[in-house]
Amino acid sequence: GAGVSQSPSNKVTEKGKDVELRCDPISGHTALYWYRQSLGQGLEFLIYFQGNSAPDKSGLPSDRFSAERTGGSVSTLTIQRTQQEDSAVYLCASSQLAGDYNEQFFGPGTRLTVL
Amino acid sequence: AQSVAQPEDQVNVAEGNPLTVKCTYSVSGNPYLFWYVQYPNRGLQFLLKYITGDNLVKGSYGFEAEFNKSQTSFHLKKPSALVSDSALYFCAVRDRVAAGNNRKLIWGLGTSLAVNP
Repeated sequence: GAGVSQSPSNKVTEKGKDVELRCDPISGHTALYWYRQSLGQGLEFLIYFQGNSAPDKSGLPSDRFSAERTGGSVSTLTIQRTQQEDSAVYLCASSQLAGDYNEQFFGPGTRLTVL
Repeated sequence: AQSVAQPEDQVNVAEGNPLTVKCTYSVSGNPYLFWYVQYPNRGLQFLLKYITGDNLVKGSYGFEAEFNKSQTSFHLKKPSALVSDSALYFCAVRDRVAAGNNRKLIWGLGTSLAVNP
């Protein structure tokens, strides 16, 4: 079956513009995660959706960042008024609900460049 | 606070030699433990995990890891390294009894493994 997909694969934008990044998780996976990875750095947790529960937004770096997940499937990460420090690879992952020992499956990422 | 430490930013080994990538953790309860690998210009991939039972778990590409509860460690090992093993390796942990916002996976900062021919 299809894995996690993300679009666009690359996004170049100007400082101050808004961007939307999309994630399509694996069908049937109820948990969805967004991470940010800067060049040569580790993963920075952003937000976590689990089924119908309230999302864990504790990793969002500022109120310019928001995410939603419609119908328990597709998720969109929105960054408003982008800044140069937002430049990074944004990774989405999904996992099954049944047990917290399930591994996460990652998408290829969206490389965001803010000029 | 829950945390994961990968004490080495970079590990260098010669091809054919055994390799170890270290990981230690701090969680309030018993952990689920994971290793992920990120090959150059490729996405993150799951490598192996510890849930329960045998402390030695085997994963993809000949890798294995040993859960040591007393030392709170989960070091990744391979008996004979290949040049193709060169990648970024991440350790991650989740407290199995955590609830709410503590259920998310806690990630280490990664260790870059370079295997030299």
